[in-house]
Parts: sequence; structure tokens; C-alpha cells
Amino acid sequence: EDQVTQSPEALRLQEGESSSLNCSYTVSGLRGLFWYRQDPGKGPEFLFTLYSAGEEKEKERLKATLTKKESFLHITAPKPEDSATYLCAVQAQTGGFKTIFGAGTRLFVKA
Amino acid sequence: DVKVTQSSRYLVKRTGEKVFLECVQDMDHENMFWYRQDPGLGLRLIYFSYDVKMKEKGDIPEGYSVSREKKERFSLILESASTNQTSMYLCASSSRDRGPYNEQFFGPGTRLTVL
Repeated sequence: EDQVTQSPEALRLQEGESSSLNCSYTVSGLRGLFWYRQDPGKGPEFLFTLYSAGEEKEKERLKATLTKKESFLHITAPKPEDSATYLCAVQAQTGGFKTIFGAGTRLFVKA
Repeated sequence: DVKVTQSSRYLVKRTGEKVFLECVQDMDHENMFWYRQDPGLGLRLIYFSYDVKMKEKGDIPEGYSVSREKKERFSLILESASTNQTSMYLCASSSRDRGPYNEQFFGPGTRLTVL
């Protein structure tokens, strides 16, 4: 069964304290892995798509990496405005249009 | 700026009522999706549509139906609302121009409470 597991469930950081969020996945052939950011009371907002192991993408303080079994979202010198829930999602080669989402990691950055 | 809008941000209904949730996108996207989001469970796909009048069941279609009469509009219908359908409902759309592996654009969500 295709599955996505994110850890930790919640992460509390001080401003400037770099860290990483993990997304482990089990799928029958990966088409693409997506990272989204979701602010309270809002819909998810797209951040990155990764297609193959070894691929990396960056946006401001965020960097996403991909291996054959997991993806990491690295946050460098976070600011309070980076506080949000970060969702990981995958599309499997046998899944058609379906996207499987993880439960998310809630990130709190304190000034 | 691309946009997905949902008809209501908050909705309170009674058990047994028929409920309509509307979603409109202005990006000319072929694909549209309805999810529900519950704490600890992530987003779960209810239905999706890849073209006008076309629909496919997702992981949890029981108790729901959908309608897509126009490309820009995708409606979710709760035939007879029950308390276990209390949830956040999210609509999304995506383009097919680069194949089916595209990112999805989400609406702001509708928080539905069924009493």
C-alpha cells in the first residue's frame, strides 16, 4: 500500500536555529514528490516538486532533497513567519491522478 | 494571480440535510479535486474530475457525490449529512499541460460542522 509518513509531528525552533523535516514514503514507483506549506485556516500552498533521487530544489530559506525512500525539507535560519504546517505528498506511477498526503509537520519558530 | 475559490468558509448544518459545497477555479485547469482534512489523518481524496462531466472516486467517496457541468466549477454534495462528515473540505485544481504530475492549487477550505 502506498504510504507517506512525516516526522516529527511538531517542531519548535528558535529563530535562526536550522533544522530538517522528514518525509518517508512507500510507493510502487514514484512519479513525483511535492512539498506544500499550510497556514492556519488556509489551503495548502505549493512549494516544490521533486521527481528523482538526488534532486534538490531551493526557495529562500527552504531546501528540499530527495532519496529513493525519503525527502527532507531543510530550513536554514528560520524566522517566525516560517511557522506553518508543512505537508509532503507523492504521486505513484500506478496511482493515476491520485496524490497521497502525509499528516504534516507543524513548525513553530519563536523570535 | 491564480485562484481557487470556495463558496463558504464556515458552514453549520443539521444531520440529514443535503449540503452543497461549490468550488470555482479561474486557471482553465482540467483537473479538479475534493479532499477532506482531519487532524492526524492528512488530506484524504474524496473525488476528482479530469474533465467536464467526468469523475473518479477517491479513497473515501461514501456519503458524497460530485458534479462538474462546467470546466471551472466542481461541486461536492453531501446527500444526507452526518456528524462524522464534520471536517475541513478543500478543493484543488491542477493543469494537465505537462502530464498528470502537476502541483495542485488549493482553495481556502470550508469548515463544515454537522450537528
